[in-house]
Amino acid sequence: GENVEQHPSTLSVQEGDSAVIKCTYSDSASNYFPWYKQELGKGPQLIIDIRSNVGEKKDQRIAVTLNKTAKHFSLHITETQPEDSAVYFCAASIYGQNFVFGPGTRLSVLP
Amino acid sequence: DAEITQSPRHKITETGRQVTLACHQTWNHNNMFWYRQDLGHGLRLIHYSYGVQDTNKGEVSDGYSVSRSNTEDLPLTLESAASSQTSVYFCASSEGQGRDTQYFGPGTRLTVL
Repeated sequence: GENVEQHPSTLSVQEGDSAVIKCTYSDSASNYFPWYKQELGKGPQLIIDIRSNVGEKKDQRIAVTLNKTAKHFSLHITETQPEDSAVYFCAASIYGQNFVFGPGTRLSVLP
Repeated sequence: DAEITQSPRHKITETGRQVTLACHQTWNHNNMFWYRQDLGHGLRLIHYSYGVQDTNKGEVSDGYSVSRSNTEDLPLTLESAASSQTSVYFCASSEGQGRDTQYFGPGTRLTVL
């Protein structure tokens, strides 16, 4: 079955700097890759997603890149702000079925 | 606004008791999912449903059951609660039919003593 690894497990950046979180997956059939942000005491919230027919997607300060050959995808947050501090999860799935999540990255943005 | 809700938000129970966690969504989504979240493991799939009367086992289904009698609800039952089932439980739903985004509820924190 699918296995998703995520690095780093914790990340601290200065406000205004960029943050990058990387995930790898094992099943070449996976074709949908969402990223979720989870704030303390809340459920995960989708922030961006990408499908296997696209190499990059941007939404304001957030971008995701996908390398199908290497089976890895990354989340990029630019101009980080204190409100970006949270736990971020990547996931992989085949046509939205059977999501497999990475273990999460705790991002701290230091003022 | 359409939403997904979970109840209770917090529950303390004793080993061996039956516990049911409720999940209700008003989006009319076909697909519903239950996950548990434990430190170091991220989110792990317990059970899922692709429609009324459809249920399927996920990665960590032992000791849990679900039933789907209508579109809006997917209750999760712990038949005989064990301390290993102390966790935070999240329900999620997605529209299905190519619309893959899963939307999560606020979670239920369950403690089994």
